[in-house]
Amino acid sequence: DAMVIQNPRYQVTQFGKPVTLSCSQTLNHNVMYWYQQKSSQAPKLLFHYYDKDFNNEADTPDNFQSRRPNTSFCFLDIRSPGLGDAAMYLCATSRDPGPETQYFGPGTRLLVL
Amino acid sequence: AQSVTQLGSHVSVSEGALVLLRCNYSSSVPPYLFWYVQYPNQGLQLLLKYTTGATLVKGINGFEAEFKKSETSFHLTKPSAHMSDAAEYFCAVSLASGGSYIPTFGRGTSLIVHP
Repeated sequence: DAMVIQNPRYQVTQFGKPVTLSCSQTLNHNVMYWYQQKSSQAPKLLFHYYDKDFNNEADTPDNFQSRRPNTSFCFLDIRSPGLGDAAMYLCATSRDPGPETQYFGPGTRLLVL
Repeated sequence: AQSVTQLGSHVSVSEGALVLLRCNYSSSVPPYLFWYVQYPNQGLQLLLKYTTGATLVKGINGFEAEFKKSETSFHLTKPSAHMSDAAEYFCAVSLASGGSYIPTFGRGTSLIVHP
């Protein structure tokens, strides 16, 4: 089945220690998104890629970076995680940047000690 | 700017009862509207969406929603709740922004279904 895969499902890191979350997709979609979701809050868009074009949301902290080496993979790098970065991180894809259906992965829950 | 308001962080119903989850949006142009469901430890899954055309939209698992422009609403309903409907439900609105359509999500409504 075509899908969006996120690894790992749970990630524990230490305060200030860089961490990378990964996302892969078999849907061959052009757009990939990263969301941060905290408890009882709406998913918050961090950035998205349309093919190789990177689009950063204005309020995404500089501490968050992303890479998309090819169509299938996208990475979220947190350079110096703080306690406030503990959250669920959701990866999603859509075929095009229009008002398309988004397909979500199961998420990676990040814990910062 | 677009925004989405979901009234009620929790909605509790009995099995077999009507489900009504409320969503209001603010937008100066016709929006594209979505409902997603999130089961525990899973990602979001599309229930239904409104783009153009018929204002009553039918989705999966017996859910439907009606776009009411005059009320700026897109409420989600299901005639008879099932235990398996217990989940978090998110309403989202999508508007054009620099060539892309970026969705804005509401805070979610947790649906609790009692036996």
